Amino acid sequence: GESVGLHLPTLSVQEGDNSIINCAYSNSASDYFIWYKQESGKGPQFIIDIRSNMDKRQGQRVTVLLNKTVKHLSLQIAATQPGDSAVYFCAENRRSGYSTLTFGKGTMLLVSP
Amino acid sequence: GAVVSQHPSWVICKSGTSVKIECRSLDFQATTMFWYRQFPKQSLMLMATSNEGSKATYEQGVEKDKFLINHASLTLSTLTVTSAHPEDSSFYICSARPQGGSYEQYFGPGTRLTVT
Repeated sequence: GESVGLHLPTLSVQEGDNSIINCAYSNSASDYFIWYKQESGKGPQFIIDIRSNMDKRQGQRVTVLLNKTVKHLSLQIAATQPGDSAVYFCAENRRSGYSTLTFGKGTMLLVSP
Repeated sequence: GAVVSQHPSWVICKSGTSVKIECRSLDFQATTMFWYRQFPKQSLMLMATSNEGSKATYEQGVEKDKFLINHASLTLSTLTVTSAHPEDSSFYICSARPQGGSYEQYFGPGTRLTVT
């Protein structure tokens, strides 16, 4: 079935590096995407979102890129900090009767000082 | 703003008993609330969508008689796990969509359920 997936289960970076977390989606009808950060034992925390009519959106130290041609979504974190260590999930909005989110598998980001 | 709370944050219950988890939107009204389940090192899986004043819509494979959802007000939804078994042990997370909102969901901190 259609799903949202991630390429890398774990990403290890040094403090100060830029991090890129990738996500592939297969539902071409999805019109909204979100990146969440989840720390151990906590609920997901919103990072940034993007609608399908955009290809790039920037926040504070984060950028989301959307490539609808290849159904690819990425999250770029600039100057990664130890506090960025967490699991990152992409989620897509399914355009069904009422909007629900389908979550990808998640990537664990480990930042070494 | 947009804070969602869950209670309890963790609970241990014996096999065969029922446990209720509450999800509250503290500073906004939520027409729609969602319940997710998350096993260790896995993603969030949507269990059901509840709209205030109506029956919940359950995802395929989720037993509605086992996971009872009540969304009696615009700020409160409850999930009751009935006749709990050890395989029901998991992290249960709720989210709430503000009234008038389109796609955004605000997540609670989760409830860790352990069934012994």
